[in-house]
Amino acid sequence: DVKVTQSSRYLVKRTGEKVFLECVQDMDHENMFWYRQDPGLGLRLIYFSYDVKMKEKGDIPEGYSVSREKKERFSLILESASTNQTSMYLCASSLSGTGLTEAFFGQGTRLTVV
Amino acid sequence: RKEVEQDPGPFNVPEGATVAFNCTYSNSASQSFFWYRQDCRKEPKLLMSVYSSGNEDGRFTAQLNRASQYISLLIRDSKLSDSATYLCVVNRAGGQNFVFGPGTRLSVLP
Repeated sequence: DVKVTQSSRYLVKRTGEKVFLECVQDMDHENMFWYRQDPGLGLRLIYFSYDVKMKEKGDIPEGYSVSREKKERFSLILESASTNQTSMYLCASSLSGTGLTEAFFGQGTRLTVV
Repeated sequence: RKEVEQDPGPFNVPEGATVAFNCTYSNSASQSFFWYRQDCRKEPKLLMSVYSSGNEDGRFTAQLNRASQYISLLIRDSKLSDSATYLCVVNRAGGQNFVFGPGTRLSVLP
């Protein structure tokens, strides 16, 4: 059974803290993604990676960075957490290539910044 | 204009009803299309991919009209368990990115 695992379901952090969200997939997928989901705004792409040590900005990268040192792991970093980064964060992975490649999601991390 | 737009919903329908969701996308070079389902407080999961010729999976039928840049999902004989948010997803042209619509919420009522 395919699996994308996020390190935490719920996190509460203080403004200004550095926050790490970890994501691991066991499907040997090339592509990995970080989204945030907010009511009324849907899922918005923060960053994605199509290979180890490669990263590309998504639609809303400001205030975030990422790290992909190993194929199976993709980390999202909030350099200095702010209250407007309170959100549900979803990691996903997919195979590379053309065609109908499905994205598999982790269970999500609900982050609250106080 | 958003890259992927959907009926705002919510749709409240009785059990057994047929319900249709619409989705439009703005990038004519988009290559792959999907419907995902998201239950409350859960992650999105693939419901079905959408093929150019249209496809059916049990009570679910998906259609794609490339000329109109339009995707639809038809659910027949609605069940209580179909209550969820349905997300239209487009694979962004030239890459492997998935662009999600805002979702349409469906509530099937007894």
